[in-house]
Amino acid sequence: ETGVTQSPTHLIKTRGQQVTLRCSSQSGHNTVSWYQQALGQGPQFIFQYYREEENGRGNFPPRFSGLQFPNYSSELNVNALELDDSALYLCASSLRGGSSYEQYFGPGTRLTVT
Amino acid sequence: AQRVTQPEKLLSVFKGAPVELKCNYSYSGSPELFWYVQYSRQRLQLLLRHISRESIKGFTADLNKGETSFHLKKPFAQEEDSAMYYCALSRGAQKLVFGQGTRLTINP
Repeated sequence: ETGVTQSPTHLIKTRGQQVTLRCSSQSGHNTVSWYQQALGQGPQFIFQYYREEENGRGNFPPRFSGLQFPNYSSELNVNALELDDSALYLCASSLRGGSSYEQYFGPGTRLTVT
Repeated sequence: AQRVTQPEKLLSVFKGAPVELKCNYSYSGSPELFWYVQYSRQRLQLLLRHISRESIKGFTADLNKGETSFHLKKPFAQEEDSAMYYCALSRGAQKLVFGQGTRLTINP
């Protein structure tokens, strides 16, 4: 069984640029959720993807967008980066419709916006 | 609005002492609550959820709807319990709302 992986581990971007973060879900999982974790805070729900469709969104502007692919991997895209976007971005996968409610988290991508 | 509050950012207890990490929530429906834990240099992982009513690593948590609380307890702390603990509420289909977290330190 393969766990959740995320890439890249770290990256540094300049304000106004665009960034794409990637997530491979755990084998057998069909749902991916993205969270933003600012320093000293708990993770904040950005959005969730199920069967390649967005299935719920947190309080984030439209410049945060995502994709889910047929193999259930996912991307998070952020346009027009702002300094406040600096955070750890976590991806979590789960099996919707299964008996377990557990979400499995990846190690995160640390984004720094300068 | 759904909200999870963990009033203590830091909690330090001695080994063998009881531990209680506080969590309060606000939610209009029937809540589904979880405790997640992050040990040093490891990823965030599920510790327990209220539906299962089980004890994991000696930890238990009882949902008190009257007080809207879901405190995490352990009667005798161990050094390996040192970690970051997050209380979380599900908005449905595993869309989690997390508290700010409590860093628990167990002193020898």
